[in-house]
Amino acid sequence: DTAVSQTPKYLVTQMGNDKSIKCEQNLGHDTMYWYKQDSKKFLKIMFSYNNKELIINETVPNRFSPKSPDKAHLNLHINSLELGDSAVYFCASSQGTSTEQFFGPGTRLTVL
Amino acid sequence: GQQLNQSPQSMFIQEGEDVSMNCTSSSIFNTWLWYKQDPGEGPVLLIALYKAGELTSNGRLTAQFGITRKDSFLNISASIPSDVGIYFCAGPHSGGGADGLTFGKGTHLIIQP
Repeated sequence: DTAVSQTPKYLVTQMGNDKSIKCEQNLGHDTMYWYKQDSKKFLKIMFSYNNKELIINETVPNRFSPKSPDKAHLNLHINSLELGDSAVYFCASSQGTSTEQFFGPGTRLTVL
Repeated sequence: GQQLNQSPQSMFIQEGEDVSMNCTSSSIFNTWLWYKQDPGEGPVLLIALYKAGELTSNGRLTAQFGITRKDSFLNISASIPSDVGIYFCAGPHSGGGADGLTFGKGTHLIIQP
């Protein structure tokens, strides 16, 4: 009965590879987000999706692309991975324009 | 862009002590949120504040929305070991909630036995 789930929990890969992280929420929310948390624990918004429409893309390289097959899912695809992409990526969701967001458990990405 | 300055960066306290941390903004916020992050987990919402001057409690936690709308405070009374973690303040990124949240850099709370 997990509210926001992400897979995988850990992802270790080589530079230059392409990878995806999946996110699902069962809260019935219509807005989903991706955040990046760096090694200093700083959390920064990357994308938000509302009703399958991208609302914001916050200076993120175009190697990152969110894909939302339906309202309950927002996956993150990353092409040509770089060392600097190593971080913890969090998915979150909210209802409409509510600022109360619920976060997933995170995916720790390590690029070697 | 918007910045949230959170202090202190870390706190080392004894079990049973009260804790205070605060967050200031370079611009006015209409909403203040406080989250807690445990190791290996995602942030969990503790308290949401929507009105200047508002004081809201959640168990041993109390948060206040500053009257200037540029600051907020979080207090924890009688700390216990499970209070250990990182506490983040947050507010709407560009004024609207659907744009995501801007986070402070966090206050690391460490409780010494």
